Amino acid sequence: AQSVTQLDSQVPVFEEAPVELRCNYSSSVSVYLFWYVQYPNQGLQLLLKYLSGSTLVKGINGFEAEFNKSQTSFHLRKPSVHISDTAEYFCAVSGYGSGNTGKLIFGQGTTLQVKP
Amino acid sequence: KAGVTQTPRYLIKTRGQQVTLSCSPISGHRSVSWYQQTPGQGLQFLFEYFSETQRNKGNFPGRFSGRQFSNSRSEMNVSTLELGDSALYLCASSLAGGATEAFFGQGTRLTVV
Repeated sequence: AQSVTQLDSQVPVFEEAPVELRCNYSSSVSVYLFWYVQYPNQGLQLLLKYLSGSTLVKGINGFEAEFNKSQTSFHLRKPSVHISDTAEYFCAVSGYGSGNTGKLIFGQGTTLQVKP
Repeated sequence: KAGVTQTPRYLIKTRGQQVTLSCSPISGHRSVSWYQQTPGQGLQFLFEYFSETQRNKGNFPGRFSGRQFSNSRSEMNVSTLELGDSALYLCASSLAGGATEAFFGQGTRLTVV
């Protein structure tokens, strides 16, 4: 079984400042890792994903994340945020194996509030 | 290329009724997954269908069911609605499930009164 913990429920930050949204996971099997963003009254949009290879993953809108296997973390970062980045961010995992196909386990979400 | 389409966008139902939600995946995608999103429980996996077969199921009561048609369109049904079923129901389509990118629809907002 897998679980995901997003360590901050809300992160306020000023425009053009850097931000880090923290995510830890636990799993008895190897996992794929994802970050999604959700704007009000919308579905989820994939920001980036880690499947294998380089532990630094770059995504859309200037976001990147680093997979740390020893710390079971997958933190999301952006060097300079914009007002338009205000949204809910979800970290998710999907385990390897036939019993996990099509199944994403999500964290509780982090609300990023970008202030002018 | 059309995205994932969920209908209807909004629904209001009475306790005890049943409801059917529809999801049309991206053309060529064969996997459809359903999720329930509530403020208290967050995003929870309901089930996944691939080529008309349920491949995976979350921990929801039997009142929640689904199916997938030969054109990959999927429906989910909730019978004997309870107030706690009020939620945003999201479906996601992907080529084959697993690590392949999942594209989400805008969701159906169900309110049970």
